[in-house]
Order: sequence, then C-alpha cells, then structure tokens
Amino acid sequence: SQTIHQWPATLVQPVGSPLSLECTVEGTSNPNLYWYRQAAGRGLQLLFYSVGIGQISSEVPQNLSASRPQDRQFILSSKKLLLSDSGFYLCAWSWGNSGNTIYFGEGSWLTVV
Amino acid sequence: KQEVTQIPAALSVPEGENLVLNCSFTDSAIYNLQWFRQDPGKGLTSLLLIQSSQREQTSGRLNASLDKSSGRSTLYIAASQPGDSATYLCAVQINGFKTIFGAGTRLFVKA
Repeated sequence: SQTIHQWPATLVQPVGSPLSLECTVEGTSNPNLYWYRQAAGRGLQLLFYSVGIGQISSEVPQNLSASRPQDRQFILSSKKLLLSDSGFYLCAWSWGNSGNTIYFGEGSWLTVV
Repeated sequence: KQEVTQIPAALSVPEGENLVLNCSFTDSAIYNLQWFRQDPGKGLTSLLLIQSSQREQTSGRLNASLDKSSGRSTLYIAASQPGDSATYLCAVQINGFKTIFGAGTRLFVKA
C-alpha cells in the first residue's frame, strides 16, 4: 500500500532563516506531488505541484520554492523566512492526470518568530 | 474562477442525529468532487470521491451526492457519533492537477 511521510512535524524558525520541509511517498511510482498551505479558518491553498522529476509548477508567487530531486521526494524550501510564512504545510500525492483521489501527509506546523 | 463554499462553518449536534453538510461551487466544469475529514492539527483523510459523471457515493454511514448543474454537493452522515467530530472539507478538481478546497465545516458531536 502507499504511504506518505512528511517532516518535520513542527518547527519554530526565526525570521530570515532558511527552511526545508521534506516529503516522500512509498508504494507507488511517478506520483503527482503537491505542497499546500492551510491558514486558520480557510481552505487549502496550492503552492506547488510536480508531475515528474525536476518538473515544478508554481501556483502562487511567494517566498518559497520547491524541488523534486527524486521520483518520490518533494522538498519545500525558503532561503529567508518571513513572518507571513507561518502556517500549516501539507504534502500530498495523486496518480494519473484526472479524477483520482488526493492523499495527504500529516502536515508540518511552521511558526516564524 | 472556481470558488467553493461550505455551509455551515460550524455545527454542533447530539449523538445519534443524522446530519447534512453542504458544499457549493461556482463552475460546473469539474473532474470530480472529494470530501475530506481533518482532525485538529492533522492532515486530511479522503472520505468519498465522486466523479463528474456520477451522482453519489456511499461509504458506511456516509453518503455524498453531486449535482453539477446546480453546483452543489451534500455529505450525509447517519447516526452521528462523538468520533465523527472533526472538520469536513469539500474540494473540486478543476483540471488534472488543481483542486480547489472549501474552508470546511467544523462538526462537534456531543455524547
């Protein structure tokens, strides 16, 4: 069966520091990978998605970037965090190009201080 | 631009009650609609997925319907239990890789 792992679960970072959140998927190949951010009381906002190694699509201009160095690995990064980057970040995967279930990781709580 | 709205934002019911959560979307051109459950501080768990050609899906005590022409979906929960307490999110897939989420309905089932 497929599983998705996301880490770290919680982190507190100072303004201006770098960020790296990592996500890996097991049990499938060539998944579509996603990074979402969830703000309190609001729906999920799609930040990045990837359909293959090295292929990244950005949905929202921001202080963040994403990379996919391996088929089942997706990394969310920032060189210098802003206070507004605080939030709950979720990695997800799906398979195929239409009509399939999206599966989410457990999320990462980021607090920028 | 596709927008997804969920009503009510919060709901409190006594245990055993049947309930309906509502979801509406502005553009009927969707691939599918999914209902998710989210426990506090956790990721989302997929409950039901309805393809655009389907009208409803059922899983245990859950039944979800889809009316594309009116831009509406409902999630029916039968015989609610305290363990059903969570936030329920509705989401519509608008292309191969983009899914738009509602803000969710927070459900509290009182024992």
